[in-house]
Amino acid sequence: AQKITQTQPGMFVQEKEAVTLDCTYDTSDPSYGLFWYKQPSSGEMIFLIYQGSYDQQNATEGRYSLNFQKARKSANLVISASQLGDSAMYFCAMSRNSNSGYALNFGKGTSLLVTP
Amino acid sequence: DSGVTQTPKHLITATGQRVTLRCSPRSGDLSVYWYQQSLDQGLQFLIQYYNGEERAKGNILERFSAQQFPDLHSELNLSSLELGDSALYFCASSVGPLDETQYFGPGTRLLVL
Repeated sequence: AQKITQTQPGMFVQEKEAVTLDCTYDTSDPSYGLFWYKQPSSGEMIFLIYQGSYDQQNATEGRYSLNFQKARKSANLVISASQLGDSAMYFCAMSRNSNSGYALNFGKGTSLLVTP
Repeated sequence: DSGVTQTPKHLITATGQRVTLRCSPRSGDLSVYWYQQSLDQGLQFLIQYYNGEERAKGNILERFSAQQFPDLHSELNLSSLELGDSALYFCASSVGPLDETQYFGPGTRLLVL
């Protein structure tokens, strides 16, 4: 069975600083995808970044990068130059494939507060 | 805006009642997924449909059912509602049935009194 662990329930970071949100996972599947989503206080889930298990390079999307360490089973999200609008819940997720379909398993999330 | 629409945004109902949540996927997406987010259970996958067919099933209660129509919109039916069904229900969509990025709708917030 898959497991996604986000050990930081809450974090603070000062505006313009970089912050790393931790995510570790456990799976026996050889092929999987790792995702990060942002959930602001308004409630919607916003896709941020994706990393495939066979991707050789770490994924980057603007100020977001995913520090993928396959041997350590970690997929940490790095946000550079934090902005006040980055304050939100952040969820790490992993795809779970069956023969006919797939789903996402989510971690419990990390609450990030960016301070001026 | 992800392009996924959900209606209604909010729903308040009583225990024992039945409600229907509606979702329209992004243009071009054939897969629809339903998730439930509650304080105690977190975000849980319920069910996936691809082009009208059920493809994957998660922790969906027997009181809940879903379908995807020929125009690709989907409905999640929740019946015999209990207090514990109060949650945020998300619909997400993706192009294909396997290993694709899912784009989430704004959610329907259900409160069962």
